[in-house]
Amino acid sequence: GGIITQTPKFLIGQEGQKLTLKCQQNFNHDTMYWYRQDSGKGLRLIYYSITENDLQKGDLSEGYDASREKKSSFSLTVTSAQKNEMAVFLCASSEANANTEVFFGKGTRLTVV
Amino acid sequence: QQKVQQSPESLIVPEGGMASLNCTSSDRNVDYFWWYRQHSGKSPKMLMSIFSNGEKEEGRFTVHLNKASLHTSLHIRDSQPSDSALYLCAAGGGSNNRIFFGDGTQLVVKP
Repeated sequence: GGIITQTPKFLIGQEGQKLTLKCQQNFNHDTMYWYRQDSGKGLRLIYYSITENDLQKGDLSEGYDASREKKSSFSLTVTSAQKNEMAVFLCASSEANANTEVFFGKGTRLTVV
Repeated sequence: QQKVQQSPESLIVPEGGMASLNCTSSDRNVDYFWWYRQHSGKSPKMLMSIFSNGEKEEGRFTVHLNKASLHTSLHIRDSQPSDSALYLCAAGGGSNNRIFFGDGTQLVVKP
């Protein structure tokens, strides 16, 4: 088995601040994802990456940047934090095949003050 | 565009009752469906997958898939309070290998 580690677990930032969330996986998975989950709601895809140095925009990419520095790590930057984007950010990974399970990290809870 | 639609948005069933959750994809390229369960404050975890037409049963959980209509359903019999969670449907396949999640059904099982 493997694990997905997200840091930090809680992130408090000021409005307008640039904030970075980090994710590491030891599954040796090719594909990694960043999702945003507002309280009690479903998952919205921000960015995904199918291999090192690849980036694909999801449905909610505006206001975010991402970086896949190596196969095991995928970071997400909130370019200018806004109060209406307080949410849990979930990192996930899966194998390259289409019929594959997605595994999730425990999330980073973002609070903007 | 929302490629995976789930219904109902929320569902309350009595303990011991049957919960039925629905999911339809609007993307004809999808071949694979999953159901994930997310307890409050936790991460989603895969509950069941179904890739072929028909039915699959695991304990109290049964999933159905109709590939022609791209519709899958999850049925939980003898529902327990511990089944209370957000249930997310996911669909995948196609040339970009992307997996789409629906908005979920919030299930509450009342003792």
